[in-house]
Amino acid sequence: DAGVIQSPRHEVTEMGQEVTLRCKPISGHDYLFWYRQTMMRGLELLIYFNNNVPIDDSGMPEDRFSAKMPNASFSTLKIQPSEPRDSAVYFCASGIMVGYEQYFGPGTRLTVT
Amino acid sequence: ELKVEQNPLFLSMQEGKNYTIYCNYSTTSDRLYWYRQDPGKSLESLFVLLSNGAVKQEGRLMASLDTKARLSTLHITAAVHDLSATYFCAVDGVSGSRLTFGEGTQLTVNP
Repeated sequence: DAGVIQSPRHEVTEMGQEVTLRCKPISGHDYLFWYRQTMMRGLELLIYFNNNVPIDDSGMPEDRFSAKMPNASFSTLKIQPSEPRDSAVYFCASGIMVGYEQYFGPGTRLTVT
Repeated sequence: ELKVEQNPLFLSMQEGKNYTIYCNYSTTSDRLYWYRQDPGKSLESLFVLLSNGAVKQEGRLMASLDTKARLSTLHITAAVHDLSATYFCAVDGVSGSRLTFGEGTQLTVNP
């Protein structure tokens, strides 16, 4: 398996623009997670899905952030409008079930100017 | 709110030496995870500890879990330069799948 796939790997955009990050989990994994990593706040869970259904979105910073998982092999994280403070590395991870490790994608480095 | 604290946050050590990284957490949990992150890279799973007293070893790294003390340790034996990375512990919250990560321990092994 190719592992968790994320695109784009780097994104530079201007404040106010819409940003869409994409993730393809490992086939057969029922859980998908979106994380954000910054120097100031470390690794934060934004939202996670189980069988394509959002279970916990309490980490989503505000209404500008939204996430979807239309099928078992694809998820998006959208920021609209983007702000400079959204600059971070966004990781997608997938897992088989509770109690097993999560497998992380390579991340998307987002810079909002 | 679940809190996970690691110490030290920065560790510089010489090759061949031993050291331990500590991970404390604030609420009951039976599942603890250790990850490694190289600069500019993703996170790689090292260990999954699923019960009190669990001990796992891989090469020069050994992880253990004491759920009563809410403490996990990552012991490094005879460090080598290739172990230089940031190490994170993470704990499952009461909701099950939600992981809370520690701040990370940045390890540098000097020749």
